[in-house]
Amino acid sequence: DAGITQSPRYKITETGRQVTLMCHQTWSHSYMFWYRQDLGHGLRLIYYSAAADITDKGEVPDGYVVSRSKTENFPLTLESATRSQTSVYFCASSDSGTGYEQYFGPGTRLTVT
Amino acid sequence: QKEVEQNSGPLSVPEGAIASLNCTYSDRGSQSFFWYRQYSGKSPELIMFIYSNGDKEDGRFTAQLNKASQYVSLLIRDSQPSDSATYLCAADTGGFKTIFGAGTRLFVKA
Repeated sequence: DAGITQSPRYKITETGRQVTLMCHQTWSHSYMFWYRQDLGHGLRLIYYSAAADITDKGEVPDGYVVSRSKTENFPLTLESATRSQTSVYFCASSDSGTGYEQYFGPGTRLTVT
Repeated sequence: QKEVEQNSGPLSVPEGAIASLNCTYSDRGSQSFFWYRQYSGKSPELIMFIYSNGDKEDGRFTAQLNKASQYVSLLIRDSQPSDSATYLCAADTGGFKTIFGAGTRLFVKA
């Protein structure tokens, strides 16, 4: 299917476990982003990528790791999950050809117990 | 620190009225401004973008930009219950990155 997908959609994990959230887009957009959305904070940028093998930190990168070996995939890993990382995570993509409009995936609701 | 500020609301308007949503931004270098709509439990989707000072109209939506005042607004005419959502204002922080406000919740009463 065309578009941007995220998996899993829901995840419950325990403190200290490693968790990887997947993001896949079919448009070949250059730019990809990971955000977390918490009540009262809106969308906060965790990491972003301008192209394959090019990633950089956003506003709240601590405790997260990303990679981008292929243009279409941008996984986000929580190395050792903490309760403060309970949130809704959105992946997005964009390109200069779209006027930098960001297209969002459906989100992953992560609960860390 | 670059910021986009919005009133969290909720903003409540009767059906058929004009809803006015506002935001301010701190980075004078921002050139592009976006309004995203987010229904409860869903992902944000773009409804308007504006680059130039003045007004931009698209159907029932009008975006307004005043760079001198660092102010962006969204007007929704003939508001419908289906417009009830959270509206996120966003500004570019250089090229392809954007910073989002926390959003304003809009409730349109039937």
